[in-house]
Amino acid sequence: GAVVSQHPSRVICKSGTSVKIECRSLDFQATTMFWYRQFPKQSLMLMATSNEGSKATYEQGVEKDKFLINHASLTLSTLTVTSAHPEDSSFYICSAATFSQSYEQYFGPGTRLTVT
Amino acid sequence: QKEVEQNSGPLSVPEGAIASLNCTYSDRGSQSFFWYRQYSGKSPELIMSIYSNGDKEDGRFTAQLNKASQYVSLLIRDSQPSDSATYLCAVRSSASKIIFGSGTRLSIRP
Repeated sequence: GAVVSQHPSRVICKSGTSVKIECRSLDFQATTMFWYRQFPKQSLMLMATSNEGSKATYEQGVEKDKFLINHASLTLSTLTVTSAHPEDSSFYICSAATFSQSYEQYFGPGTRLTVT
Repeated sequence: QKEVEQNSGPLSVPEGAIASLNCTYSDRGSQSFFWYRQYSGKSPELIMSIYSNGDKEDGRFTAQLNKASQYVSLLIRDSQPSDSATYLCAVRSSASKIIFGSGTRLSIRP
């Protein structure tokens, strides 16, 4: 159990375009989903926390107008990188948790974004 | 002081030996503790969670928690080359925020 999927796994886009990444919890209902970014050989950086049906909470330094997060249901959250630039190229990873039972986070496989 | 601290490594351990990974945390009110394994280019995978003082064993893995000393460790017995990865310690703080350490790189040498 506790499977989280992400789509797409890899995406290449041109500078100035927007990219949407989907995160789904497949076998449980996630009350909270997290979005992380990880640059090569660096640690996970939490970007935002989202609870179903409410606005996401962004970490300091993360632009909420550039990284749009929607958590419309207990099984789906989306991250849209708007007007992407080469410096946004990174590994984006979501995780999902059901805090009513435990605080374990289960990670999706990640999305590698390359902006040319 | 970082909220969750880990030695970045690399920690090199011979195959078959015990690998010991340590993590300290600053928030004394922290309640939940987790170990994740992350292979290069992949996302983290939950290995162990521990909530009370003492040891918790799962196969070759043992998590140890000492709340008084504010440290949590992970022991890997009979280390295998496939255990080579970065191990992330995560702590749920008293504010219910999950905080990750920067990870320890473990290398198992044949």
